[in-house]
Amino acid sequence: DQQVKQNSPSLSVQEGRISILNCDYTNSMFDYFLWYKKYPAEGPTFLISISSIKDKNEDGRFTVFLNKSAKHLSLHIVPSQPGDSAVYFCAVTPGLGGGTSYGKLTFGQGTILTVHP
Amino acid sequence: EAGVAQSPRYKIIEKRQSVAFWCNPISGHATLYWYQQILGQGPKLLIQFQNNGVVDDSQLPKDRFSAERLKGVDSTLKIQPAKLEDSAVYLCASSSNTFPPLGGYEQYFGPGTRLTVT
Repeated sequence: DQQVKQNSPSLSVQEGRISILNCDYTNSMFDYFLWYKKYPAEGPTFLISISSIKDKNEDGRFTVFLNKSAKHLSLHIVPSQPGDSAVYFCAVTPGLGGGTSYGKLTFGQGTILTVHP
Repeated sequence: EAGVAQSPRYKIIEKRQSVAFWCNPISGHATLYWYQQILGQGPKLLIQFQNNGVVDDSQLPKDRFSAERLKGVDSTLKIQPAKLEDSAVYLCASSSNTFPPLGGYEQYFGPGTRLTVT
């Protein structure tokens, strides 16, 4: 039972254009949402997050959008750069209301982003 | 600030052998996690420690996997005996106990140990 799905295994984008990565979740108890970036032979690196009380959070070139009614979040990268080429994982957590599951992250399967010069 | 340290980075063993991984979290981080990441999948939580106590080990195959965090700092994860399906990257992560609104739920990952079981 996959609680978090990233339906696009890969995405290819031209440098300077927008990259949009998508993530769907099934459980409305999830309260906090994160995006991680992973380069080969390295651990995942935290990128940006959003709380369920917001629908948008922006940090430089990265913006995360949350649509709670659709149980969908997306990451926009504008403009995309070749150095953004990596695997992107979305992750969800129930937050403090999750009892002993607070802080526990459930990850999607990842999307490979390739940005071409 | 030093990041999460893990060793070894790579390990190749034969099935039925044993192996151990070590993790040193970010200084001051009370919560430590071990994840298994199989190729093409996202990280899956194996065990979560709060200081030196286990918070969640529901996904840990306890017949062959064990983990400890003595003194509430560094941790070891052991597999004995290993199976072919244990081939994966084993990631260690840590987090502070600062939650919203003062902080978030970010976890900080080490580089991982790539295990190959032949």
